[in-house]
Amino acid sequence: DTGVSQDPRHKITKRGQNVTFRCDPISEHNRLYWYRQTLGQGPEFLTYFQNEAQLEKSRLLSDRFSAERPKGSFSTLEIQRTEQGDSAMYLCASSLATAGELFFGEGSRLTVL
Amino acid sequence: AQRVTQPEKLLSVFKGAPVELKCNYSYSGSPELFWYVQYSRQRLQLLLRHISRESIKGFTADLNKGETSFHLKKPFAQEEDSAMYYCALSGMIKAAGNKLTFGGGTRVLVKP
Repeated sequence: DTGVSQDPRHKITKRGQNVTFRCDPISEHNRLYWYRQTLGQGPEFLTYFQNEAQLEKSRLLSDRFSAERPKGSFSTLEIQRTEQGDSAMYLCASSLATAGELFFGEGSRLTVL
Repeated sequence: AQRVTQPEKLLSVFKGAPVELKCNYSYSGSPELFWYVQYSRQRLQLLLRHISRESIKGFTADLNKGETSFHLKKPFAQEEDSAMYYCALSGMIKAAGNKLTFGGGTRVLVKP
C-alpha cells in the first residue's frame, strides 16, 4: 500500500500525558497536512508543511501542539499535557504542490481519559 | 475568512430516487471547490472537484458563484452511495497551499 499511513491508529492516554502521532505521506508528495476531526464535525485544519518548512499553523493550535517534518518526508504531531478536549481523530494528508487533491490517511484516534 | 456550510446532517433516500446535497461557501476570492466522500471503514477520498467538470459515480456538482453554492447531485441513488460527504473549499492563493476548509458533512443513507 503506497497511500498515506498513520501510527498509531488508536491511542488512549490519561490527562496530562504527552502523545505523539506519526504520518508517512505518499513518497513523492512534498506537501503534508494535519487535520483534527471531532464527532459530528468536518476535518479542521491544524497545520501544513511544504517539504520540511511549516508554512501555516491554525490559530486554533495551542502551544501544547507541535508538528515537525525534519527531512521533508514523515511528520510527527506531538500534544503535550493532553486535555480531555484533545480527544479527536487526527488526520494526516499529503499532496503535490501542483495539484489540488489531498490524499488522506486513516487517522489516529486519540482518547484522553 | 473562508467558510463552508452543509445545512443537512442527514439525508435519507430510497434507492433509485434523486439525491441532492447542499453546500454553500463564503470566500472573498475565487475558490476551488471539492466534494470528498468517506465510505464506512474507509479513509476520506476525493469524489470530484469543480474544475474538472466531470461526473464521478453518477454524481455531478456545479459551482454557482452568484449563489455561492456547490451542490452535489445524483439522479438515481444506489445503496453503495451510502456514506459521509464533505464539501471543501481551497482558496486560490499560492501561499495557502492546497489547504482545505471543510463543511460539517452530510450523511447519506440510501434505503433499499
